[in-house]
This record gives sequence, structure tokens and C-alpha cells, in this order.
Amino acid sequence: GESVGLHLPTLSVQEGDNSIINCAYSNSASDYFIWYKQESGKGPQFIIDIRSNMDKRQGQRVTVLLNKTVKHLSLQIAATQPGDSAVYFCAEINQAGTALIFGKGTTLSVSS
Amino acid sequence: DAMVIQNPRYQVTQFGKPVTLSCSQTLNHNVMYWYQQKSSQAPKLLFHYYDKDFNNEADTPDNFQSRRPNTSFCFLDIRSPGLGDAAMYLCATSRDQLGGSYNEQFFGPGTRLTVL
Repeated sequence: GESVGLHLPTLSVQEGDNSIINCAYSNSASDYFIWYKQESGKGPQFIIDIRSNMDKRQGQRVTVLLNKTVKHLSLQIAATQPGDSAVYFCAEINQAGTALIFGKGTTLSVSS
Repeated sequence: DAMVIQNPRYQVTQFGKPVTLSCSQTLNHNVMYWYQQKSSQAPKLLFHYYDKDFNNEADTPDNFQSRRPNTSFCFLDIRSPGLGDAAMYLCATSRDQLGGSYNEQFFGPGTRLTVL
């Protein structure tokens, strides 16, 4: 089940701040995790992924951290910009390995 | 540009009147997915096609059907839309199934369905 207290439905930050978005996943056997960004009126867009044999992966301005012990995933966005405002979803592969299960989204609002 | 295209972007139908949503892809991907996303919720997988093989999620209502006449096109048919079926419907593709080496899912812009 989902860890209580880790997920925040909304996050408001100032431009230039670092943002951290958290996610708890349910399937301890999942070996692949993805973060998606969804802007209003658009489909989800791939941001970054990580395999279960890693605990950290960095992209451009984004870092994903994986803690398999507590089944927790986080997305860190450095120097957050207004264009980062969107809903962010984490996703894991289902038990059959055939599709994604999305976690609850977090709405990130960035003010100038 | 190669992409996932959904038509129409907005669809209005009446309660109980069958409706079809369309998805096409120029990526030549083997797998196509349909997700339902209700307001302020995460996308929820309805079903997917791996090539011509249809895979229905256990909790997808019978009211929802799908067709994939060829690699490029996939349709979502809602036989008797209810008010609770109003949602964004997202189509996605991936080159292959996700269980092995991961293949990124590419999403279309979605079709927003309104049921009157």
C-alpha cells in the first residue's frame, strides 16, 4: 500500500528554488520507474526513468532517487522555472510487465 | 514529426449514444494503449494491443471496447456512455512490451469526452 504522508497533491515554489516531488509505489517487484510531466490539456510527457538496480539517476536539471527499502521514489527539479508548472506522475510497471501503473499526481506551481 | 495523434481533441456525446475515439501513430510501434484519466486523477489503463493481441485490464467495464485494424490505428468504442465516463482518454504507444528492456511510452494529446 501507499505510505501515508509522503505524497503531497500540490507543491508551490518560487522560481529558482529546487523542487522535490515524492511518490510511493506498491509493487516491491517493480524494476522500472518513470516520471511523467503533464501540462494542462496535454498528454503525459516522459521526464526521466530509473531501474531498480540504481538508486539515483540524473538528467538535465532533474534527478530521480529510488529507495527500494521503503518503496519511495522522488523527483528533484533544480532551479525550478515557470515552465515546470504541471502535474507530475510517477509510474511503475504492472506485475505482468505489460503496462504502466500511475501514482497519484502532484501539481507543481511555480511563481515568478 | 513522428507522433501519436488523437482525434477529435474534444468529443461531446449524449448519454447512451455510442461514441468512437481515434488514435493513430507514425512511430510504427507494436504496442498501443488506451488510458482513461478523470479530472485530477492519474491515467488508468483500460486495455492495450500488442500487435494484434488484445489485452484487457480486469476492471475495465464491458462498455469499453477497442479495435486495431492495422499497426497505425487504434479505436476506443464506448457502447453506451454514462455520465461517469466523462474523462480524458489518452492513447499511448511503445515500441515493444515493457517487461523486458524498457520501451518508452509516447502519449497522444488526449480526447476530452463530455457526456450530456
